[in-house]
Amino acid sequence: SAVISQKPSRDICQRGTSLTIQCQVDSQVTMMFWYRQQPGQSLTLIATANQGSEATYESGFVIDKFPISRPNLTFSTLTVSNMSPEDSSIYLCSGGAPSSQETQYFGPGTRLLVL
Amino acid sequence: LAKTTQPISMDSYEGQEVNITCSHNNIATNDYITWYQQFPSQGPRFIIQGYKTKVTNEVASLFIPADRKSSTLSLPRVSLSDTAVYYCLVRRMDSSYKLIFGSGTRLLVRP
Repeated sequence: SAVISQKPSRDICQRGTSLTIQCQVDSQVTMMFWYRQQPGQSLTLIATANQGSEATYESGFVIDKFPISRPNLTFSTLTVSNMSPEDSSIYLCSGGAPSSQETQYFGPGTRLLVL
Repeated sequence: LAKTTQPISMDSYEGQEVNITCSHNNIATNDYITWYQQFPSQGPRFIIQGYKTKVTNEVASLFIPADRKSSTLSLPRVSLSDTAVYYCLVRRMDSSYKLIFGSGTRLLVRP
């Protein structure tokens, strides 16, 4: 199994600013992902964080708004840029390996409130 | 990826067995069925995964009929701590490894 931590756990930000969320895995994982979850709603996949190359974004999400880095197999960051109140949400990262014997492990999430 | 459909909510009482059924009519040959559990203010947690027939672990059982168009998560003798949201997902065994979450089922276990 893998244990995933996120920093910060929560933050309150002003409109127009940016916030970088860090995701740390305690072991090497092949794949890392970023999700968004509105309170009371399901998770929406933002992007796949690829090591050493540009992230792969899902429909409706763009790199300018959500730049992602993944410098190695245990760490990734998601930046929420030029924030607006609509960006208020919980952001979660996950990691795992593409194997039938393994699955994705999730971090506890970062709760973001944009004023 | 195949879309999943599951009940929005379910109620149960402590000690009862709970069965949550999920439909995934367009499941592909190389898709697995995966279930996650999520408590408030936590990330989802893997419960069980299967391809066909029956899978059992220390937490739950997963029943998948021969046509694989549906699956049933069975939680034996639930307790108050099983109150959570349960997500049924179809996971494709390819290089993308993406998980697409549906709406989930909110299970409330009453004393």
